[in-house]
Amino acid sequence: GIQVEQSPPDLILQEGANSTLRCNFSDSVNNLQWFHQNPWGQLINLFYIPSGTKQNGRLSATTVATERYSLLYISSSQTTDSGVYFCAGPTQGGSEKLVFGKGTKLTVNP
Amino acid sequence: EPEVTQTPSHQVTQMGQEVILRCVPISNHLYFYWYRQILGQKVEFLVSFYNNEISEKSEIFDDQFSVERPDGSNFTLKIRSTKLEDSAMYFCASRLKGYTGELFFGEGSRLTVL
Repeated sequence: GIQVEQSPPDLILQEGANSTLRCNFSDSVNNLQWFHQNPWGQLINLFYIPSGTKQNGRLSATTVATERYSLLYISSSQTTDSGVYFCAGPTQGGSEKLVFGKGTKLTVNP
Repeated sequence: EPEVTQTPSHQVTQMGQEVILRCVPISNHLYFYWYRQILGQKVEFLVSFYNNEISEKSEIFDDQFSVERPDGSNFTLKIRSTKLEDSAMYFCASRLKGYTGELFFGEGSRLTVL
């Protein structure tokens, strides 16, 4: 099945800093999502982005499907951005399940 | 905005007890899923459900687990005889289209087995 690698595993920022999180896939994907897991464990949908670029406030994401990676940009980070960021893509062979990466744990300090 | 809702948010149970986790998917969605996340680990797929039957399940989803859509709105996950290692966050998800549609997750049900 597909392998999903996320980097960096941990990231510590000062409030106001920008960051880029990366997600690499072992195979091409046609369905890619980014999630934020807050400190209470809730999974929040950030982006559904099989290809191209999308923006939502201070967050934006870019997926280059042919190169098998996606990037999540966080600008002017806030303490509420802390948590774990996951990307997920479909496994191959007609399966419906999403395969998650191990996540990037982001800590934003005041 | 429509959302997937899950109950309970947290359940504590004794080993060997039956547990039912409930989910109300987004109303016009057709594909339903359960995922789970053991503390500190990745989110893992358990089962997918479409047209009133299981369409796919993982090796985790053994005979102790079952899913049901008892009416037009609820989607449940039952664990018949809980084990310590079933302690995890369980997420329900739904989407309109299979395979390529955006997946929407509920806020999760945290299960603690003592």
